[in-house]
Amino acid sequence: KNQVEQSPQSLIILEGKNCTLQCNYTVSPFSNLRWYKQDTGRGPVSLTIMTFSENTKSNGRYTATLDADTKQSSLHITASQLSDSASYICVVRGGGGSNYKLTFGKGTLLTVNP
Amino acid sequence: NAGVMQNPRHLVRRRGQEARLRCSPMKGHSHVYWYRQLPEEGLKFMVYLQKENIIDESGMPKERFSAEFPKEGPSILRIQQVVRGDSAAYFCASSPPRPRAGSTLNTEAFFGQGTRLTVV
Repeated sequence: KNQVEQSPQSLIILEGKNCTLQCNYTVSPFSNLRWYKQDTGRGPVSLTIMTFSENTKSNGRYTATLDADTKQSSLHITASQLSDSASYICVVRGGGGSNYKLTFGKGTLLTVNP
Repeated sequence: NAGVMQNPRHLVRRRGQEARLRCSPMKGHSHVYWYRQLPEEGLKFMVYLQKENIIDESGMPKERFSAEFPKEGPSILRIQQVVRGDSAAYFCASSPPRPRAGSTLNTEAFFGQGTRLTVV
């Protein structure tokens, strides 16, 4: 069964601190993995996309890693800001012989406090 | 280039009424996906459509739910005889045509802001 598991479920940090969010998946065959940021009441917005051959990719203060062998990904946020408070969702494309289905994790709710 | 537009943003229906949710994809996008997000849950795939065709509706309940993406106009997700359990946020995403095999074109999906359906 294609699944995406994220941890922790929620996380509270102080402004300026770093944090790392985890994503494990069982989707096969694998096409790519995306991290989305979903602000409360809004649609998900893509932060980064990673394909099978990519190990790490940065987008400003966000750095994503991918280990396709262990089927794990992480999203590292440096120097957190209050505006980083949101749900971060790991999404894997693939599975079932097609490459259009997106399987969503339940997300990590990040709260950045001043 | 406007993003994916969904309307209405909020919809309240009484039990037994019909709900119609609209999604206008980004310009040039011919693929539309509908997802449902229950409170405290992740997004769950419902249906994948191309213009005038339903490609995969495996995530959509067999009864009361239907979706279409006509040649002209927005994609419509229709829920008949709504029940309280249908209350959720419904998100639409669109993507460009799938590239041919071997192409490295990005087929990233862009999401709308969602329609929050409340059944009272």
